[in-house]
Amino acid sequence: ILNVEQSPQSLHVQEGDSTNFTCSFPSSNFYALHWYRWETAKSPEALFVMTLNGDEKKKGRISATLNTKEGYSYLYIKGSQPEDSATYLCASGDDYKLSFGAGTTVTVRA
Amino acid sequence: DSGVTQTPKHLITATGQRVTLRCSPRSGDLSVYWYQQSLDQGLQFLIQYYNGEERAKGNILERFSAQQFPDLHSELNLSSLELGDSALYFCASSAGGLGTEAFFGQGTRLTVV
Repeated sequence: ILNVEQSPQSLHVQEGDSTNFTCSFPSSNFYALHWYRWETAKSPEALFVMTLNGDEKKKGRISATLNTKEGYSYLYIKGSQPEDSATYLCASGDDYKLSFGAGTTVTVRA
Repeated sequence: DSGVTQTPKHLITATGQRVTLRCSPRSGDLSVYWYQQSLDQGLQFLIQYYNGEERAKGNILERFSAQQFPDLHSELNLSSLELGDSALYFCASSAGGLGTEAFFGQGTRLTVV
């Protein structure tokens, strides 16, 4: 099982501010990096899947970057809104296993 | 709605019993993943199937087993249940391998009493 780590565990951000957080994963035998958004009482929903070093993906105010050589990915939220409050999970896959980090819980204060 | 259906949504059973959790993947998806989320824990990978074949195993106990049927639905069997098996069990499906996003079901909440 891959050791996927996310930091920080939680963060609070003021509405309108931008924020970012990190996912670290083993760079050897890398295949793919996933980001999911998980709201309370719901199931995780995919944001991005990235496979190539240097990949950058964007969906609205949320974007992500990938560095496979050093084994990290950043997720950015621009102009945070209360509806962005959720736990953001990253997952790294190799050899058919998709292993999740513990998540970063984002709370946006109005 | 992700298109992944898990049944039942809730299950309460006694220690020592056996239960079966069912997952119907999105139409056309060949991969099925099973995850366990215990209290204050993240998603723990249990097992993955692709087109009926087991492809990867995680931290799955010997008391647990799974299979994927020809119609691609999957079942997770949990036996000799212990209190510590109480958790939320998620199934996710994807069209192919790790390069495709996974779609999660709503989960089955298992409570062992």
